[in-house]
Amino acid sequence: KAGVTQTPRYLIKTRGQQVTLSCSPISGHRSVSWYQQTPGQGLQFLFEYFSETQRNKGNFPGRFSGRQFSNSRSEMNVSTLELGDSALYLCASSLGQIINEQFFGPGTRLTVL
Amino acid sequence: ELKVEQNPLFLSMQEGKNYTIYCNYSTTSDRLYWYRQDPGKSLESLFVLLSNGAVKQEGRLMASLDTKARLSTLHITAAVHDLSATYFCAVDLIPGNTPLVFGKGTRLSVIA
Repeated sequence: KAGVTQTPRYLIKTRGQQVTLSCSPISGHRSVSWYQQTPGQGLQFLFEYFSETQRNKGNFPGRFSGRQFSNSRSEMNVSTLELGDSALYLCASSLGQIINEQFFGPGTRLTVL
Repeated sequence: ELKVEQNPLFLSMQEGKNYTIYCNYSTTSDRLYWYRQDPGKSLESLFVLLSNGAVKQEGRLMASLDTKARLSTLHITAAVHDLSATYFCAVDLIPGNTPLVFGKGTRLSVIA
C-alpha cells in the first residue's frame, strides 16, 4: 500500500510570495490533516479535512488555508509569506473515524528568505 | 482544552540501560498514540493504545495506557543506539471530531 506523499519536498520562497503544498493520502483514507513543525513551537495543528470539508482548524492566521478534493488529495496554501513561516509542513492521513491513527508523509521543508 | 505533557523532554541514556518516558494528559480519553521521528524525517506510527490497561510491545519498546491516571508510558529496555530519535505521544479526545493533540516530544539520545 502506497504511503502518504507530499510535493514538493523542498521549497525556497521570499517574503510576500505565496506557496501551495500538495498531499496525497493513503488510498481509502478520507481525512487529511496538516501540521507545522518548527524547533521553537514543536508540532502545531493547522487544519483537518474530511470528505472535502474542513472539520477542524488550528490557531493560525487566515493566510493559511487549505482544501480537499473529491479524491481526498489535499492542498494547503500560505499567502503573503513571512520569515516565521519557515518550517517543515507535514501532512497526515487517516480513516478519520473511530480509530484516528495518522500516517504522516515525508513533509515539505519551506524556507522563506 | 486538552493538554498533553511529556517528560522528560530530553533524555540521554547509555546503551543497555532501561528508561521510561511519561505522557500525561489533562482530559479523559482512552485513545493514545505514540510516534517516532528521526532527525530530518517525518513521524512514524509506533503504537495505538485504545483502552484502559492496553499494553503494546515492539522490540525494545513497550507502551501502556492508564486512562484513570491519564498517563501513558513508553518503556525502553536495554537501549541501543538505533533507538535515538524523538518520541511523541498524541491523545485523541473525540475520535473523528477533534484533532490529535501532541506532546512536545522527548528527544532520546542513546550513547555507548
